[in-house]
Amino acid sequence: DTGVSQDPRHKITKRGQNVTFRCDPISEHNRLYWYRQTLGQGPEFLTYFQNEAQLEKSRLLSDRFSAERPKGSFSTLEIQRTEQGDSAMYLCASSPIGQRLDGYTFGSGTRLTVV
Amino acid sequence: DQQVKQNSPSLSVQEGRISILNCDYTNSMFDYFLWYKKYPAEGPTFLISISSIKDKNEDGRFTVFLNKSAKHLSLHIVPSQPGDSAVYFCAASTSGGGADGLTFGKGTHLIIQP
Repeated sequence: DTGVSQDPRHKITKRGQNVTFRCDPISEHNRLYWYRQTLGQGPEFLTYFQNEAQLEKSRLLSDRFSAERPKGSFSTLEIQRTEQGDSAMYLCASSPIGQRLDGYTFGSGTRLTVV
Repeated sequence: DQQVKQNSPSLSVQEGRISILNCDYTNSMFDYFLWYKKYPAEGPTFLISISSIKDKNEDGRFTVFLNKSAKHLSLHIVPSQPGDSAVYFCAASTSGGGADGLTFGKGTHLIIQP
């Protein structure tokens, strides 16, 4: 297991289309996080799972966004009816339970461009 | 309202000299602070952290200083090396157990000149 894997690396979509991203965390990590990074900004927290339970959601996560982690392993982030403002880098991170925040490992991200 | 601020978008330092990156925060509930390093087309990688019960943490060439009264922290890199050229993000959390999301600053682009 070489780290957190995200797919696809790049996605270009037309406004109004739905997109789905996948994150495969480090296999022994129970916690999984989604962040969004727009140009010139730092990553912004979107949501967090512990095993299959979604425990926290940011107010940034509008009702067009939905995240799942059905078996407590990989996670998907879906954006419905994409808007140009959704263009960003979507980052996934994972960490083990009981380890402090320096246990976070980020993936390389999925860059979404909405045209 | 930005709770974590990195006011220098970029910093240029000569190889071998000290690099000092600064970060200010406004939320007094933050109790754990981290620095991440990011290369283009990669995700952020953890560099060093500090708990609010400490005022200094050192790891090799990297030292983080925390001044709680000023709500300020800084990252010192000495000596600076060409591979240190990257974007550095300061991040903070209200819990150390990993259950809370991190709040990041906008980042400082560090350029190490030969």
